[in-house]
Amino acid sequence: AQSVTQLDSQVPVFEEAPVELRCNYSSSVSVYLFWYVQYPNQGLQLLLKYLSGSTLVESINGFEAEFNKSQTSFHLRKPSVHISDTAEYFCAVRNLMKTSYDKVIFGPGTSLSVIP
Amino acid sequence: DVKVTQSSRYLVKRTGEKVFLECVQDMDHENMFWYRQDPGLGLRLIYFSYDVKMKEKGDIPEGYSVSREKKERFSLILESASTNQTSMYLCASSFGTRMSDTQYFGPGTRLTVL
Repeated sequence: AQSVTQLDSQVPVFEEAPVELRCNYSSSVSVYLFWYVQYPNQGLQLLLKYLSGSTLVESINGFEAEFNKSQTSFHLRKPSVHISDTAEYFCAVRNLMKTSYDKVIFGPGTSLSVIP
Repeated sequence: DVKVTQSSRYLVKRTGEKVFLECVQDMDHENMFWYRQDPGLGLRLIYFSYDVKMKEKGDIPEGYSVSREKKERFSLILESASTNQTSMYLCASSFGTRMSDTQYFGPGTRLTVL
């Protein structure tokens, strides 16, 4: 069965400091990987996704994530965070084995708090 | 811009009441989903629908039912609300059956059952 682990439930970080949010998954087949962000009082939005090709994917607001197949990880990084990055971040995985529906499995989330 | 709207942001109901949560999307998406979000548990899929009048159970369907009479609307029904159904409910939609399809989420309904 698939599962997604986000080891850090809360990550406080000072403004302009770098941050890494960790995500590990378990799956016996190939997967697609996603990071979603949930700003306060809003629904989730897609931040970035890995489908195939280059293992490093980037978002428009400076985040990047690297797919590491051997370590089954998809950690999210940003070299310099802003106050506006304060949000809940969810890692998600979808396996590529076609069944009636291949649902997305979400991790428990990591709350990023940027401190001025 | 894809828009997914949910009928209420906050809802307070009493134990035993029948509760309707409505979700509407405006992008002609095939798939619609209902999740509940609880601290430390992430999102858990309750039900989804891949076509009008079609529905399938997710991971935690007990105590819930759904209705999809029109393509743009997906309703979640709590037949007899209980306190353990106090949660944030998120609706989402996606275009089709491609594995790479992004899910678009509504703002959520925070339901409190007293």
